[in-house]
Amino acid sequence: EAGVTQFPSHSVIEKGQTVTLRCDPISGHDNLYWYRRVMGKEIKFLLHFVKESKQDESGMPNNRFLAERTGGTYSTLKVQPAELEDSGVYFCASSLGQGHSTDTQYFGPGTRLTVL
Amino acid sequence: QKEVEQNSGPLSVPEGAIASLNCTYSDRGSQSFFWYRQYSGKSPELIMFIYSNGDKEDGRFTAQLNKASQYVSLLIRDSQPSDSATYLCAVNWGGGFKTIFGAGTRLFVKA
Repeated sequence: EAGVTQFPSHSVIEKGQTVTLRCDPISGHDNLYWYRRVMGKEIKFLLHFVKESKQDESGMPNNRFLAERTGGTYSTLKVQPAELEDSGVYFCASSLGQGHSTDTQYFGPGTRLTVL
Repeated sequence: QKEVEQNSGPLSVPEGAIASLNCTYSDRGSQSFFWYRQYSGKSPELIMFIYSNGDKEDGRFTAQLNKASQYVSLLIRDSQPSDSATYLCAVNWGGGFKTIFGAGTRLFVKA
């Protein structure tokens, strides 16, 4: 069974440009999460989807970030316009969704975003 | 106070010793606690979760939870050089699905 995949693995863009990150969860996983790790800091929760619905987006930094999960399958995270402080590693995770919070999350390899 | 606190380390132990990793959290409503291992440049990998007070053992790993003290720990017995990694403590905030991570403890196991 394929794990969580993310695309691209690396992205280097200039300040003010737009970048879209993609996450493909494990097939059949209803829960999808986005996280971000800025250099030297802890992994920060961004948001949580259950199928196509945003369950919790309290971690989204500002309105330059837009996450979607059309059809409840893959998800995209768009940053528009990108700022220098958006640089970091963006992780996606998915879980089966068994109705309790011990549900195991499987992480993707991450997308390393560098904003110049 | 940080939501989830860990000693950043590095923690260095000789091969075969017990490595003890500690974590405290600030939200009394949290119910589920996780330990992840992350090798350099890789994604976090779940080692264990625990949600009841006491000890939970899985092979060489033992997770310990004390909700009254808001403390969770991970013991690694018979440490191996391959255990050298960053260990992340994570808490499902307020009993929900939002996961808050500590900054991680770097562990070095010397051969």
